[in-house]
Amino acid sequence: DAGVIQSPRHEVTEMGQEVTLRCKPISGHDYLFWYRQTMMRGLELLIYFNNNVPIDDSGMPEDRFSAKMPNASFSTLKIQPSEPRDSAVYFCASSWGTGGKWFFGQGTRLTVV
Amino acid sequence: QKEVEQDPGPLSVPEGAIVSLNCTYSNSAFQYFMWYRQYSRKGPELLMYTYSSGNKEDGRFTAQVDKSSKYISLFIRDSQPSDSATYLCAMSFDTGNQFYFGTGTSLTVIP
Repeated sequence: DAGVIQSPRHEVTEMGQEVTLRCKPISGHDYLFWYRQTMMRGLELLIYFNNNVPIDDSGMPEDRFSAKMPNASFSTLKIQPSEPRDSAVYFCASSWGTGGKWFFGQGTRLTVV
Repeated sequence: QKEVEQDPGPLSVPEGAIVSLNCTYSNSAFQYFMWYRQYSRKGPELLMYTYSSGNKEDGRFTAQVDKSSKYISLFIRDSQPSDSATYLCAMSFDTGNQFYFGTGTSLTVIP
């Protein structure tokens, strides 16, 4: 298996622009998680899905952030409009079942200037 | 108080040393305990996975969970330069959906 695949690996955008991050989970996994990692705050859970349904989005910072999972093999995290404080590494992870072992993608390094 | 506390380091040791990494936690309901290794500019990689208390060994790595003290440890024997990375502890409840991560300990093994 190719593992969790994220794109793009790097994104540089101007403040106010829309940013879309993409994730393909491991085939057969039924949980998908979006995390944000910064030096100051470490890994923060933004939202997670079970069987394509959003279960907990309490970690989404504000309405500028939205996430979708239209099918079992694809998810997006969108930021509109983007702000410099959104600069971070965004990780997608997937797992099978509860208490499962999580597998992370390589991350998308977002820089908003 | 954070759910999970981890000393950020950095920790620097000579090659061949025994490394001890630790996390403490506040919620006694945690049941799943994990250690992730994260190389620079890479995603976290699952290293060790344990359920409830006890020890687990995998090669040079040993994970210990002491639920009475709310303390988990990762030991690395005969440390190698390739072990240089950030090590993150993570834990969750029995339902296992919400994971809480430590902030990570940066380790450098000097040849």
